[in-house]
This record gives sequence, C-alpha cells and structure tokens, in this order.
Amino acid sequence: AQTVTQSQPEMSVQEAETVTLSCTYDTSENNYYLFWYKQPPSRQMILVIRQEAYKQQNATENRFSVNFQKAAKSFSLKISDSQLGDTAMYFCAFMKIFGGATNKLIFGTGTLLAVQP
Amino acid sequence: KAGVTQTPRYLIKTRGQQVTLSCSPISGHRSVSWYQQTPGQGLQFLFEYFSETQRNKGNFPGRFSGRQFSNSRSEMNVSTLELGDSALYLCASSLDGNTEAFFGQGTRLTVV
Repeated sequence: AQTVTQSQPEMSVQEAETVTLSCTYDTSENNYYLFWYKQPPSRQMILVIRQEAYKQQNATENRFSVNFQKAAKSFSLKISDSQLGDTAMYFCAFMKIFGGATNKLIFGTGTLLAVQP
Repeated sequence: KAGVTQTPRYLIKTRGQQVTLSCSPISGHRSVSWYQQTPGQGLQFLFEYFSETQRNKGNFPGRFSGRQFSNSRSEMNVSTLELGDSALYLCASSLDGNTEAFFGQGTRLTVV
C-alpha cells in the first residue's frame, strides 16, 4: 500500500520570502503521479502542481516548483516570493497509474502554511 | 468553462437519516471520485465512477454508495447516518481517471 508523509504540520513564512514544504512517500510502483494541492479557508481544493514519475525534470508553475527525488521518494514544494494569498493547507498526494486508472489519490496529512505580512 | 459543482454546500441531518449529495463534473470529464475529509482521518478515498461504472472503492462501510449518470453527473448516498459521518465531502473530476483531478467546493455534512 502507498503512504504519503508530510512531517511539517505547520509552517510560517514572511511575505516575499521563499519556503519549502516537505513530502515523502512510500510505494513499490514505478508509474505514478505526484501532486501538490492547496486548500485555503474556503475549503476548495486547488491543484498547484503535478509531477509525472517518469519525468526527470522537476515541474514548475510560476512561483511554485518541486524537487522530485525518485530514488529517495521525496517530493518537496518550493514557493518563491510568498504572497498572502498563499496562506492555506497544502496537501501532497500520490496517484498510481495503470490501465483503467481510477484517479485514486492518496493524501498526506497536510502542512498549514501561514504567510505573514 | 465551469468547474466542478457540488450541491448542496451545507447540510444538517439527524442520526439514522439518509442523505444524497450531488456532483456535476467539468464538461467532458468522465471520471468522478469522492473523498471524505475529517480532522481525525484526513482525506480518504470513497469511490470512483467512470462511464456509469464504479471502478474502485475505498474502505468504507456499505452505508456509503454512489452512482453515475449518463451525463457523468454523480451522486453519493449515505444511509443510516452516524455522528461520525460528519465531514466535508469532496468530489473530483478528471478526463479519464488517469490525469489530474479537479475538485468541487465540497458539501459540509453535519450529523446531529
């Protein structure tokens, strides 16, 4: 069974600074996706970034980038130039890929990020 | 393009009652998944539907069921509600279940 671990329950960062959120996972699968989702106080789950396991290049989306270390089963999220609107709970998620995939996401416990003015 | 729509947004039910939640996926998306979010258990997968067929089910009792219609809209039903069923229920849609999922705003269910 796959597991996702986020060891930082809470983090704080000053506006305009950079912060890194950690995520490790455990799987015997070779083909999978990893995601970071954010959940602001509105409770809407928003996709931040996606990484395919077969891609060596780390994904980036504007101010968000990941450090994907497949051998170490590590998938950290870096947020640059933090903004007040980045304040949210961040979830790391794993999804196995196989024929007839079922979009089953395995979530970590989340990291609550507070961006301070 | 409209996002994933869940109705109702809030619901209060009494123990023993049953409830039906609805999810309309993004247009063109055929896979719909359901998740339960609670402070104690976090986010847990309930089930996934594709082309009106349940393809996968999480570890929940039979009181939790769902279905999908030909237009890809999905409903989940919880019968004989228990206090522990109080949670945020999230629906997610994707093109085929093999790509990223987009979530609705959730239905907050409170069982009293």
